[in-house]
Amino acid sequence: NAGVTQTPKFQVLKTGQSMTLQCAQDMNHEYMSWYRQDPGMGLRLIHYSVGAGITDQGEVPNGYNVSRSTTEDFPLRLLSAAPSQTSVYFCASRPTGGSGNTIYFGEGSWLTVV
Amino acid sequence: LAKTTQPISMDSYEGQEVNITCSHNNIATNDYITWYQQFPSQGPRFIIQGYKTKVTNEVASLFIPADRKSSTLSLPRVSLSDTAVYYCLVGDLDSNYQLIWGAGTKLIIKP
Repeated sequence: NAGVTQTPKFQVLKTGQSMTLQCAQDMNHEYMSWYRQDPGMGLRLIHYSVGAGITDQGEVPNGYNVSRSTTEDFPLRLLSAAPSQTSVYFCASRPTGGSGNTIYFGEGSWLTVV
Repeated sequence: LAKTTQPISMDSYEGQEVNITCSHNNIATNDYITWYQQFPSQGPRFIIQGYKTKVTNEVASLFIPADRKSSTLSLPRVSLSDTAVYYCLVGDLDSNYQLIWGAGTKLIIKP
């Protein structure tokens, strides 16, 4: 059971480039989300999805797009990278129904925009 | 959305019991209290969750007073490997990820 898998682990982008962070989970979780974490800070929610075909904005959605075509996958797209988007990105998933706030996180993707 | 307040950092020594208190004055009736642990370069990991009184699992205990305006995570007999950042969050069971993550408490365990 792989849990939540993110790729790539590390990426360097030039300002203005676009890229997609991949996220996949094999736990059949309906809820998936993307967070960013800046040094010394807590996580901030970028986008989330409550099921295939449904996405919504979190706290800091600007500059990012998401899609949820399948239950398993939830990619995050940076449209035109900016230095302010240099951060660590975490994908997460959560089961529904009686499991409380138990969220499963991926290992993180370190993104540097130069 | 309930906001939490935790100490920024704490130090302790191996073998000691560590208690980290979190205040959440505006916790709602349906909110649960959840604690996560995060090691450097890793995603957060669920530790424990509770609604009221006391909850215990294999790694920690969670104490919640009757008014639920605070909670205390208790780590028994800590080791160096417990050095991490600990986050306290409150939210209802269907909060759709609308949980506010503060900066957490950086716990440093010394030999």
